[in-house]
Amino acid sequence: QKEVEQNSGPLSVPEGAIASLNCTYSDRGSQSFFWYRQYSGKSPELIMFIYSNGDKEDGRFTAQLNKASQYVSLLIRDSQPSDSATYLCAVTYWAGNNRKLIWGLGTSLAVNP
Amino acid sequence: DGGITQSPKYLFRKEGQNVTLSCEQNLNHDAMYWYRQDPGQGLRLIYYSQIVNDFQKGDIAEGYSVSREKKESFPLTVTSAQKNPTAFYLCASSIVGDLLNEQFFGPGTRLTVL
Repeated sequence: QKEVEQNSGPLSVPEGAIASLNCTYSDRGSQSFFWYRQYSGKSPELIMFIYSNGDKEDGRFTAQLNKASQYVSLLIRDSQPSDSATYLCAVTYWAGNNRKLIWGLGTSLAVNP
Repeated sequence: DGGITQSPKYLFRKEGQNVTLSCEQNLNHDAMYWYRQDPGQGLRLIYYSQIVNDFQKGDIAEGYSVSREKKESFPLTVTSAQKNPTAFYLCASSIVGDLLNEQFFGPGTRLTVL
């Protein structure tokens, strides 16, 4: 049973701080890793994706991938109250000859003014 | 503007009725997906289509049906055989269906069984 695990939170950080969201996965063969943000009652929207080990930066967001340790993280610098949402991690893996995508349950982030 | 539209936003169904949820995209994406989201559970794949006139079952296809007659459209029918259909339904699309590329989501349809 392939798994993607996220701490459900809530993770609470003050405005302007760095928020660190973590995701661990069970399949060493996973290739693609996605972070989505979902506001309450809304659909998920893509924040970042990463394929290679290391860091990938986009504005205030940085995705970090460590395939050896099987985790991917999302850092949000200068956190804003508008960042308060649930962050979903999604990971691809092989199931026989088919590639599949598995979703974590999400981490709830609260940024306090 | 390119995007994915879903309708209706809210849908109420009586037990025993079939209902159809609409999903349209103008992103020229080959692949389209239907997910269901329930409180406390991750997104679960119902059906997906990698190309017109072809679709495959996902992890929870029982009680659902789809069609893909046009590239832009991927409607989902929730049949009376679906035992617990109350949920938030999300349609998504991606450039191709290899799951290596990001998926873009529509705004969702919230279905409630009365």
